[in-house]
Amino acid sequence: EAGVAQSPRYKIIEKRQSVAFWCNPISGHATLYWYQQILGQGPKLLIQFQNNGVVDDSQLPKDRFSAERLKGVDSTLKIQPAKLEDSAVYLCASSRQSTEAFFGQGTRLTVV
Amino acid sequence: KNEVEQSPQNLTAQEGEFITINCSYSVGISALHWLQQHPGGGIVSLFMLSSGKKKHGRLIATINIQEKHSSLHITASHPRDSAVYICAVRNSGNTPLVFGKGTRLSVIA
Repeated sequence: EAGVAQSPRYKIIEKRQSVAFWCNPISGHATLYWYQQILGQGPKLLIQFQNNGVVDDSQLPKDRFSAERLKGVDSTLKIQPAKLEDSAVYLCASSRQSTEAFFGQGTRLTVV
Repeated sequence: KNEVEQSPQNLTAQEGEFITINCSYSVGISALHWLQQHPGGGIVSLFMLSSGKKKHGRLIATINIQEKHSSLHITASHPRDSAVYICAVRNSGNTPLVFGKGTRLSVIA
């Protein structure tokens, strides 16, 4: 089966600019996660979707980050405006209920 | 909230050595995952465990539920095994994974 697709792979922006990341999960996976991984650390959950509903967004900095999963399939994560500390790898993962999660290749964001 | 600790943080081994990476967690879980992350950033799932032991090729993962501890072993290590190995736990059901900080492994020929 096709894996989790993410784009772009790399993005460099200046602080205060906006950026959007896209994720296409594995077909049939109802649960979709966005994680932020800062260099040298493990991934940290930003938001979890179950179909098109938000299950957990407690760690999402809502003043600048937003995410949506229209129609319960693809998802976009947006940062507006970006800060230097947002430089990280943004990982998308999907899973069926209570099974292992499959990860995309990630988007490496550099904010300068 | 579950706290996941991995050791060691960094590990350098000679090709052919037997490698062990350890993971401990603070709260009971429904499943533990071992993941591999290469420099490009993508993560590959190696194992999902809820009890006992699993083996895939040269990789072996074990878990002790009572001690809240898991180990990942690599036999006959090879330079292509060089990567970051991450332990992650799921508390229950479909709750999100909680990750350790990872162990950076370098295998030298």
